[in-house]
Amino acid sequence: QQQVRQSPQSLTVWEGETAILNCSYENSAFDYFPWYQQFPGEGPALLISILSVSNKKEDGRFTIFFNKREKKLSLHIADSQPGDSATYFCAASATDKVVFGTGTRLQVSP
Amino acid sequence: EAAVTQSPRSKVAVTGGKVTLSCHQTNNHDYMYWYRQDTGHGLRLIHYSYVADSTEKGDIPDGYKASRPSQENFSLILELASLSQTAVYFCASRGDRYEQYFGPGTRLTVL
Repeated sequence: QQQVRQSPQSLTVWEGETAILNCSYENSAFDYFPWYQQFPGEGPALLISILSVSNKKEDGRFTIFFNKREKKLSLHIADSQPGDSATYFCAASATDKVVFGTGTRLQVSP
Repeated sequence: EAAVTQSPRSKVAVTGGKVTLSCHQTNNHDYMYWYRQDTGHGLRLIHYSYVADSTEKGDIPDGYKASRPSQENFSLILELASLSQTAVYFCASRGDRYEQYFGPGTRLTVL
């Protein structure tokens, strides 16, 4: 009930392409879904988030698509840049705690 | 200026020894969290706190204790360190919109 699943585990795209990172969850009570970006040797940093009342959230090149009925969401990174190479964590929250997925390692090749 | 700091940044401990990891935040946030990160497991919640002098168990609390002596400080204590506790540990504070602000992490190696 508490799991958050991410796919793929790793993803390689060419510079300029759109990277699509997927996430699914099981607990219907989750209502807040942040995505965190982590570079090697650093702590995760909030990238973008969405509430369950919305089905889309955009912030520059980053867009979250949310499907409440299917309990799925995805992060689209448009015009991917080498500087976007990092690990991305999907997370879900309903109360005091946040449940994290296992992450997708994105590599953007120039 | 970093709002969540952790010390030490890395530590080598011996099996059975006591380890204390410290976290300090200047965000004025009520909630603070301790996570461990292992390859293939993402971030897992160990303990958290929403007020000074009170802590709550997370999803994997066994073998860990926590202490919140003030709003700004939150410590993670390993009374008897074990090999399985080798990991990177992150502290975070939580803002009003549920966003979490992470520290830079502490790499703990137990030998």
